Amino acid sequence: SQQGEEDPQALSIQEGENATMNCSYKTSINNLQWYRQNSGRGLVHLILIRSNEREKHSGRLRVTLDTSKKSSSLLITASRAADTASYFCATDWRGGSEKLVFGKGTKLTVNP
Amino acid sequence: EAGVAQSPRYKIIEKRQSVAFWCNPISGHATLYWYQQILGQGPKLLIQFQNNGVVDDSQLPKDRFSAERLKGVDSTLKIQPAKLEDSAVYLCASSSRGTNTGELFFGEGSRLTVL
Repeated sequence: SQQGEEDPQALSIQEGENATMNCSYKTSINNLQWYRQNSGRGLVHLILIRSNEREKHSGRLRVTLDTSKKSSSLLITASRAADTASYFCATDWRGGSEKLVFGKGTKLTVNP
Repeated sequence: EAGVAQSPRYKIIEKRQSVAFWCNPISGHATLYWYQQILGQGPKLLIQFQNNGVVDDSQLPKDRFSAERLKGVDSTLKIQPAKLEDSAVYLCASSSRGTNTGELFFGEGSRLTVL
């Protein structure tokens, strides 16, 4: 399966700290995306990084991609209680039918 | 811009009964997806439409699940008969350009409980 796998499964930090989540995948990809899901809600797109990019920033988010290691990381800086959510990576694998495959997610809890 | 609309938000049925979920994507979005999300897991793609046509339904349990997209706009997902393991949130998403270049916009989901 080309499904991404996030690590850790759960992460608990204090407000103001940085949160780092990792994603590993198995096959070559066109792009990798990160999504956030608040409890009981739908997923919200955070950032997309293409296979020829190594790093991307959006506000307090920083995403890196290492295609040689088939891995990505999502860094949230200066976390807030409102960042409490599950975070999923999704891969659009090269040679596939252009579908996004999601990992199992990292559950982030930011304590005030 | 209105988001992806889904209904109903919650549904409770007995096993072997049938249920239908409805999705209205963002206007102009050609691609529509149905995902199944079991508690504690990531979303799993059930079916992907490009306009009226099915692009991928390889993970759709076709003996009990069916989906259609009417006139390339709204879509319905039906389960008949339901099993206990179908308890999940059914998420509809749409995109304007497909996953190779664009993001997916998700609805709030329809939570199904099968008793």
